[in-house]
Amino acid sequence: QKEVEQDPGPLSVPEGAIVSLNCTYSNSAFQYFMWYRQYSRKGPELLMYTYSSGNKEDGRFTAQVDKSSKYISLFIRDSQPSDSATYLCAMTGNYGQNFVFGPGTRLSVLP
Amino acid sequence: NAGVTQTPKFQVLKTGQSMTLQCAQDMNHNSMYWYRQDPGMGLRLIYYSASEGTTDKGEVPNGYNVSRLNKREFSLRLESAAPSQTSVYFCASSASGGAHEQFFGPGTRLTVL
Repeated sequence: QKEVEQDPGPLSVPEGAIVSLNCTYSNSAFQYFMWYRQYSRKGPELLMYTYSSGNKEDGRFTAQVDKSSKYISLFIRDSQPSDSATYLCAMTGNYGQNFVFGPGTRLSVLP
Repeated sequence: NAGVTQTPKFQVLKTGQSMTLQCAQDMNHNSMYWYRQDPGMGLRLIYYSASEGTTDKGEVPNGYNVSRLNKREFSLRLESAAPSQTSVYFCASSASGGAHEQFFGPGTRLTVL
């Protein structure tokens, strides 16, 4: 079993849809949970991070962490064509040890 | 403020050739990282440097060496390139204790024939 699993997609949705992206993990030592967005042929950029369990909202983006289920989600509301990208989850421990990325989910938002 | 810069952007090597990928950051970050990204594999850590003067192996260090030249620069060297090292290489940096907030460069696309 991989340390972090993520549905690779591709995922296609119409503009305005609510998008749910998910990752599962196996290492209970993970404490920081990140979501990166990567446009084609560009480097990843950090969207947001959450510490431990709970929710965090930033504009149209909401990150959720459920440590009891080892499951994290990123929700995108009112999706836009400019949200079309690959979304990578990432996780690490309290001191930056064992930093791991998921394989990424490719999202296309169709106008 | 350029953030993280990488050179070159593209490179084609023949098997057995050597090359150095350069990375520099202007954010005064202590920690720097080298990753490779392959289809379906996500980003995998090759080496990292928690601070100037220190380097540590990541998940896939075999076939690579690194040098933390100073606080700004972190280079990755392939001594004898192999086709399995065909990949996109990303450099990243973060503040001390901030591995959860990494800033990435634009990447180097390397093909080994």
